[in-house]
Amino acid sequence: GESVGLHLPTLSVQEGDNSIINCAYSNSASDYFIWYKQESGKGPQFIIDIRSNMDKRQGQRVTVLLNKTVKHLSLQIAATQPGDSAVYFCAEGGGTSYGKLTFGQGTILTVHP
Amino acid sequence: KAGVTQTPRYLIKTRGQQVTLSCSPISGHRSVSWYQQTPGQGLQFLFEYFSETQRNKGNFPGRFSGRQFSNSRSEMNVSTLELGDSALYLCASSMGQGGEQYFGPGTRLTVT
Repeated sequence: GESVGLHLPTLSVQEGDNSIINCAYSNSASDYFIWYKQESGKGPQFIIDIRSNMDKRQGQRVTVLLNKTVKHLSLQIAATQPGDSAVYFCAEGGGTSYGKLTFGQGTILTVHP
Repeated sequence: KAGVTQTPRYLIKTRGQQVTLSCSPISGHRSVSWYQQTPGQGLQFLFEYFSETQRNKGNFPGRFSGRQFSNSRSEMNVSTLELGDSALYLCASSMGQGGEQYFGPGTRLTVT
């Protein structure tokens, strides 16, 4: 039969708002986490990463929070802009999983001017 | 520094044929990973090469294979193409010590 596409969560915000995108990861042994942004027709673009010995890391306009107790990751984008509109993926890796990242399903972020 | 490049960008093949995709990593990167992206399954890991050796492999059939050359460039091959192989194939390069991976633009493969 036909394959059913993933139903990606969506987040719609106004320009200038702060955005929070959430992700639940699956492997307790993962010790490295990354957020990627993918625009239509392009490959995923690295945003920010965090190791398991940290619970927060900040970049330019972005902050990643890691809660290992409940295996939860979030990406906060401050003062969201229309150019931030894209699909956002979290990915987990590390340990002996050389070069292997396991991706979440993604979240569609739409920023309205 | 030039980013990850992939060739060709678009490809149309017929069921039963085979295809070879190419990936040139960022200069100095020794690890190349390949991923398949489809609307139904999302991004899935195919395999990873480091210093010409396959170090990790995902859950794909043996029709999917790859290799890496001494200059770190990598190719992946899909034999006996099936309609379900239609996807965006992405490669990513990294230093190889578990750090961030940088993705290329992908090769869009359509199997008819």
